[in-house]
Amino acid sequence: AQTVTQSQPEMSVQEAETVTLSCTYDTSESDYYLFWYKQPPSRQMILVIRQEAYKQQNATENRFSVNFQKAAKSFSLKISDSQLGDAAMYFCAYSRGSQGNLIFGKGTKLSVKP
Amino acid sequence: EPEVTQTPSHQVTQMGQEVILRCVPISNHLYFYWYRQILGQKVEFLVSFYNNEISEKSEIFDDQFSVERPDGSNFTLKIRSTKLEDSAMYFCASSWGRTGGEKLFFGSGTQLSVL
Repeated sequence: AQTVTQSQPEMSVQEAETVTLSCTYDTSESDYYLFWYKQPPSRQMILVIRQEAYKQQNATENRFSVNFQKAAKSFSLKISDSQLGDAAMYFCAYSRGSQGNLIFGKGTKLSVKP
Repeated sequence: EPEVTQTPSHQVTQMGQEVILRCVPISNHLYFYWYRQILGQKVEFLVSFYNNEISEKSEIFDDQFSVERPDGSNFTLKIRSTKLEDSAMYFCASSWGRTGGEKLFFGSGTQLSVL
């Protein structure tokens, strides 16, 4: 069975600084996708970034980037130039290539200090 | 950007009662999902739905649960006889396609409290 582990329950970053959130996963599949979802206080889950396992190049979306280490089954999220609006729960998630069902980690609560 | 709409935002019910949680997915989406999040725990997959039938369901989705798309716009989750442990935030999601890379659009959730 696939699992997703986020070992940091809480993280804190100063506004304008950079923070990295960690995620590891376990799977025997070769075709899969990895995601980071953001859950602000409104509770709505919002996709931040997505990575295809077959792509070696790390995904980037503006201030958000990932470090995808396939052999190590590691998928960390880097947030650059942190903003107050980045404060939220961040969930790492996995899905098999053939299906859209997501397996989530437990989440990391990110606080941004002004 | 189009949104997934869930109603009600909060639902309080007595143990043993039936509840129906409602969702309006994005209009041109074909795949629909329910997830739940017990307070302080991870978000868990319940069920996926396509072409008016269940595509996949988790172990959590037992006979107490059912889903339905009663018309062209709504997607509902019914819990037949609620238990205390059903208290959770329930999220509806939809996507255009089914492959694993599809972006899921989530609603804001329904907080269910079973007393």
